[in-house]
Amino acid sequence: GAGVSQSPSNKVTEKGKDVELRCDPISGHTALYWYRQSLGQGLEFLIYFQGNSAPDKSGLPSDRFSAERTGGSVSTLTIQRTQQEDSAVYLCASSSPGMNTEAFFGQGTRLTVV
Amino acid sequence: RKEVEQDPGPFNVPEGATVAFNCTYSNSASQSFFWYRQDCRKEPKLLMSVYSSGNEDGRFTAQLNRASQYISLLIRDSKLSDSATYLCVVNPTGANNLFFGTGTRLTVIP
Repeated sequence: GAGVSQSPSNKVTEKGKDVELRCDPISGHTALYWYRQSLGQGLEFLIYFQGNSAPDKSGLPSDRFSAERTGGSVSTLTIQRTQQEDSAVYLCASSSPGMNTEAFFGQGTRLTVV
Repeated sequence: RKEVEQDPGPFNVPEGATVAFNCTYSNSASQSFFWYRQDCRKEPKLLMSVYSSGNEDGRFTAQLNRASQYISLLIRDSKLSDSATYLCVVNPTGANNLFFGTGTRLTVIP
């Protein structure tokens, strides 16, 4: 595909269940970012990958959140034992190597914890 | 201190007005700067990069002030279609790590 692809687009889950969100970045993009956005709020940084490594995990809100990236491509964000406050849109973005490069966003996964 | 700070607004302006947003950044070594636009319930998309010499794209002008560590976006002759949230983005280290401001909401009123 030409753009960043995220799946699922919508996810409703029961409190306490685990969820896995997937991001397929643009081919060749080495940098990958996860953000979350609650309704009416700004983007909250979660984690950043350069290749398969995550030099910056500072934004993960708790140890229930984890992310991995394999093969320098697809990334998964896992939330364990979901809570209602985890409800948000989870956005993934990728960018190519080098400075002054644009980050392209996927359309996001809207997570609702009931 | 946050890497990037923006006035969240909202800014409500009439059609045809000129509006300006500022954004401050904390890391003086920041290398690259962008303005993104986010429409309601959509993902952010690049509006324009911000270059040291300033740059213009139609009704939009972006400027960088390194001494005061802020970037600005000026929109002239506002259109209804300009209504959106405008996000300031900074690369603080030159290492491909981007930080987004929380966004400034603009509503252009008929």
